[in-house]
Amino acid sequence: DAGITQSPRYKITETGRQVTLMCHQTWSHSYMFWYRQDLGHGLRLIYYSAAADITDKGEVPDGYVVSRSKTENFPLTLESATRSQTSVYFCASSGRLEETQYFGPGTRLLVL
Amino acid sequence: AQSVSQHNHHVILSEAASLELGCNYSYGGTVNLFWYVQYPGQHLQLLLKYFSGDPLVKGIKGFEAEFIKSKFSFNLRKPSVQWSDTAEYFCAVKPERNFGNEKLTFGTGTRLTIIP
Repeated sequence: DAGITQSPRYKITETGRQVTLMCHQTWSHSYMFWYRQDLGHGLRLIYYSAAADITDKGEVPDGYVVSRSKTENFPLTLESATRSQTSVYFCASSGRLEETQYFGPGTRLLVL
Repeated sequence: AQSVSQHNHHVILSEAASLELGCNYSYGGTVNLFWYVQYPGQHLQLLLKYFSGDPLVKGIKGFEAEFIKSKFSFNLRKPSVQWSDTAEYFCAVKPERNFGNEKLTFGTGTRLTIIP
């Protein structure tokens, strides 16, 4: 049971480059989420998706793009990375919006 | 929209001490409440959750939390901590029914350090 996986686990990039973080879940959960974790802010929701081809903004969506062509995948793209996007990114999924969310291992991103 | 406050940013305890981490939320309706734990270098794991029923909920690893509706609180407790409890603890709240964009909201976390 793979659960929820993220790749890459670590990424270093430069300002202005496009970066895509991958998230894959094997539970066929309808809902998937992207959070960023920063010191002093806890976890903040970037985007979420209720089903394939249905996405919506969270608390901090600026500078990010998501897609959900398949239920099991929910990639997060930084179109033009900025230093302020240096963070740890967590993907999560749940069967329904009101259910417990299960988190992936995280991707640590450094933007130079 | 709902919000969550965790007033203890960093708590340091000796092994075998009792633990209580505070969590207060603000929301006018019915909520679901969660405590997640993040061990060093690992992802978030669910410790316990409250949806309805007995306001005293028991989770994994000897943790429990009590929902006090009148105080809008969901404090996490453990009678005797271990060194392996060193981690960051996040309280989260979610409206029971979603009428808009209300989703899971996390507190800023409490770092717990246990001294052997």
